[in-house]
Amino acid sequence: DTGVSQDPRHKITKRGQNVTFRCDPISEHNRLYWYRQTLGQGPEFLTYFQNEAQLEKSRLLSDRFSAERPKGSFSTLEIQRTEQGDSAMYLCASSLQGIGNTIYFGEGSWLTVV
Amino acid sequence: RKEVEQDPGPFNVPEGATVAFNCTYSNSASQSFFWYRQDCRKEPKLLMSVYSSGNEDGRFTAQLNRASQYISLLIRDSKLSDSATYLCVVRSGANNLFFGTGTRLTVIP
Repeated sequence: DTGVSQDPRHKITKRGQNVTFRCDPISEHNRLYWYRQTLGQGPEFLTYFQNEAQLEKSRLLSDRFSAERPKGSFSTLEIQRTEQGDSAMYLCASSLQGIGNTIYFGEGSWLTVV
Repeated sequence: RKEVEQDPGPFNVPEGATVAFNCTYSNSASQSFFWYRQDCRKEPKLLMSVYSSGNEDGRFTAQLNRASQYISLLIRDSKLSDSATYLCVVRSGANNLFFGTGTRLTVIP
């Protein structure tokens, strides 16, 4: 499978715990995005990398959230001290550089905070 | 004001019907426009890009009106398999995609 892959696909955690999601983009894609989607809403942008550089962060990305892409390949999104409002699907996407290039999404990581 | 506004529906149409979805966007400097399809609890997948001249892909036709900041999607001869949520997507600047809330379509036998 050469698409965007995310792990884990589902995570149930207790409030206050830390969780980490991993994303492996399509191999030749230098851009990597993280989005969050809650029920009944469209995906909301969280952050974006070009290679290893994190170039943009949404104000939705509170200081409990951190994302890294240390070698410009896979990325991790960590949520510290999870809250019930963090329950959502976390989508990773990747693309080639260039405004017209298609952004491809992974299947998402579902987080439930209980 | 939201970047992208869509009627959430739901739209319930019989098989074979023609259905149209609309959305508006707020940033006049937006540069790229797309329709994505999302099935229940799945990831969004690109349905088609939207070009200024309008474009067609089989039963699907997309239109863009930059002056009115309005995008549309027309589905002809609806199939049961068209049932999904259709997301209007606008790209502003080099990086960011802005999604509408999506319009839910159910095609009824």
